[in-house]
Amino acid sequence: EVPLVESGGGLVKPGGSLRLSCVASGFTFTNAWMNWVRQAPGKGLEWIARIKNKAVGETTDYAAHVKGRFTISRDDSQNTLYLQLNSLKTEDTAVYYCSASSDTYLKYWGQGTLVTVSS
Amino acid sequence: EIVLTQSPGTLSLSPGERATLSCRASQSVSGSYLAWYQQKPGQTPRLLLYGSSSRATGIPDRFSGSGSGTDFTLTISRLEPEDSAVYYCQLFGTTPPYTFGQGTKLEIK
Repeated sequence: EVPLVESGGGLVKPGGSLRLSCVASGFTFTNAWMNWVRQAPGKGLEWIARIKNKAVGETTDYAAHVKGRFTISRDDSQNTLYLQLNSLKTEDTAVYYCSASSDTYLKYWGQGTLVTVSS
Repeated sequence: EIVLTQSPGTLSLSPGERATLSCRASQSVSGSYLAWYQQKPGQTPRLLLYGSSSRATGIPDRFSGSGSGTDFTLTISRLEPEDSAVYYCQLFGTTPPYTFGQGTKLEIK
């Protein structure tokens, strides 16, 4: 059973917005630190955002080139992680993975959802 | 921002051989924060090693990690055809951003 299932990807025009979701199961979501990692077509992995759990204040961190445009959030009552993508650029085209982490590694990965930014 | 540089870019070896993959950090880091991932073609990445040398659940002991400071190594002994993949190192848990290396593509002839 896949512990993380993303959805919400699709085709969007430059400047547009999209919200990705990731539903978790099979582990204690409320304790997990959650991340988004993306992979542009034919390229490597790129970490883009993390949100800690409520016990440590749901602190968020972002990669520099998405900060101010992307927002990570979580709803522990729904075991769901979100990524709001605004002001999208063509270079944001990628498969977006959610990942549950410990404090030192990305333990669980979803299957990814494809975001295509194109006019 | 700490940069991770992996080498070689591509490695082509035969079944049964040993693969040595390198991950070099632009400044000294704690091995506690160094992880390795495997991504097979068309698949999701999978955690192999964390803390530079601890194997994740279900990872065979053919996979081992070592290193300290700026130089870390992933060794795969007795290569099998299913080891064909791209391998990434990542520094995770220190100060963000949690950068990945650019990856090493391992091809099994």
